[in-house]
Amino acid sequence: QSALTQPASVSGSPGQSITISCTGTSSDVGGYNYVSWYQQHPGKAPKLIIYDVTNRPSGVSNRFSGSKSGNTASLTISGLQSEDEAAYYCNSYTSSTTLVVFGGGTKLTVL
Amino acid sequence: EVQLVESGGGLIQPGGSLRLSCAASGFTFRSYEMNWVRQAPGKGLEWVSGITKSGDTKYYADSVKGRFTISRDNAKNSLYLQMSSLRAEDTAVYYCARDMMAADGPAAFDYWGQGTLVTVST
Repeated sequence: QSALTQPASVSGSPGQSITISCTGTSSDVGGYNYVSWYQQHPGKAPKLIIYDVTNRPSGVSNRFSGSKSGNTASLTISGLQSEDEAAYYCNSYTSSTTLVVFGGGTKLTVL
Repeated sequence: EVQLVESGGGLIQPGGSLRLSCAASGFTFRSYEMNWVRQAPGKGLEWVSGITKSGDTKYYADSVKGRFTISRDNAKNSLYLQMSSLRAEDTAVYYCARDMMAADGPAAFDYWGQGTLVTVST
């Protein structure tokens, strides 16, 4: 069982917007603004697309945005494109005995 | 160009030991905290271990604590993961990942290697 909870799958049509949630606790997501999101295509290494809840690294499309409310962080992808079809993972700093926890991942299908 | 290249993976019997290496180039290695993240076949990402810039502080996931040891050699621009008492559930692709300097928090990994596969099986 993953420390952060994500939906197993989401889907959307090209041009639409989708949102992926990432639910934790006050010891991780809710307690700190240290949530990141990653995109992973099959057979490839993950790519950082959001860090510190809302920030995009240089070169990442502004179609990707992040937010947080309470113990739940969210990734929104607007103007869906076929190349957005991938797995998406959240992670967060945690004040538990470990340092970082990941979500279980969400498979995005572009219909 | 930032590059992280893992090596050392392979087939190992349960209870055995293996040492993974990650060779870094294209950036000032000693200025970054580093991590190991693994992914079991068909499964999600799991953070394994992290180490500070100087190597004096190390962090571990509960699943590997006491069995895995992270270390680094800043003179050789290299990160290591010594794995012992290996179990079938340790089978995974192991990635080394760099902490993002511009981030406020410790959970932003901006560069990843291509990964090295560790298979624990008889």
